[in-house]
Amino acid sequence: AQSVTQLGSHVSVSEGALVLLRCNYSSSVPPYLFWYVQYPNQGLQLLLKYTSAATLVKGINGFEAEFKKSETSFHLTKPSAHMSDAAEYFCAVTPGRGADGLTFGKGTHLIIQP
Amino acid sequence: GAVVSQHPSWVICKSGTSVKIECRSLDFQATTMFWYRQFPKQSLMLMATSNEGSKATYEQGVEKDKFLINHASLTLSTLTVTSAHPEDSSFYICSAPNSGIVSYEQYFGPGTRLTVT
Repeated sequence: AQSVTQLGSHVSVSEGALVLLRCNYSSSVPPYLFWYVQYPNQGLQLLLKYTSAATLVKGINGFEAEFKKSETSFHLTKPSAHMSDAAEYFCAVTPGRGADGLTFGKGTHLIIQP
Repeated sequence: GAVVSQHPSWVICKSGTSVKIECRSLDFQATTMFWYRQFPKQSLMLMATSNEGSKATYEQGVEKDKFLINHASLTLSTLTVTSAHPEDSSFYICSAPNSGIVSYEQYFGPGTRLTVT
């Protein structure tokens, strides 16, 4: 079984500041981890994924995440926040190679202050 | 590539009626598709796994007789909400991995917002 914990249901940062969204996972097998972004009333867009290759993963829109097995973490970062980054972010885990559904965290609402 | 569509994008129905939602993989084949529901300001919860040519697998607590899933082809899965009630109002999202390649990625549809009055 697997689970995901996202610390902080809301995160507020100033435009241009560092964005850090936290994700910790629990998995009985080596996990595959994902970060998705969701804008209001829309579906999910994949930001990046960890699939047991490089532990530092770069995604779209300047986001990146680092897989730390010892800390069971997969935190999402972006050096400089932009107003367009305001959205809901979900961390997700799956044990399989696309053959299993995803288990999502509760989500973090990112607020960008001007 | 790797586009998943859903139809309709939103639907309003009366309590007691049934509603069918379609999920299509437009440019790839998907032997497996997944159905999620998302309540307002909440996360996505996996409801069921749709398997082409066989019965769907439902997550614990999901009523299989209420949420009928049919995966009749390699590009189409349907979710029918039978005898819908207001508590079934939600955002339903499907996803599919590309069966033709070794990939860890799932492609999500844009979602269907169901409102039951």
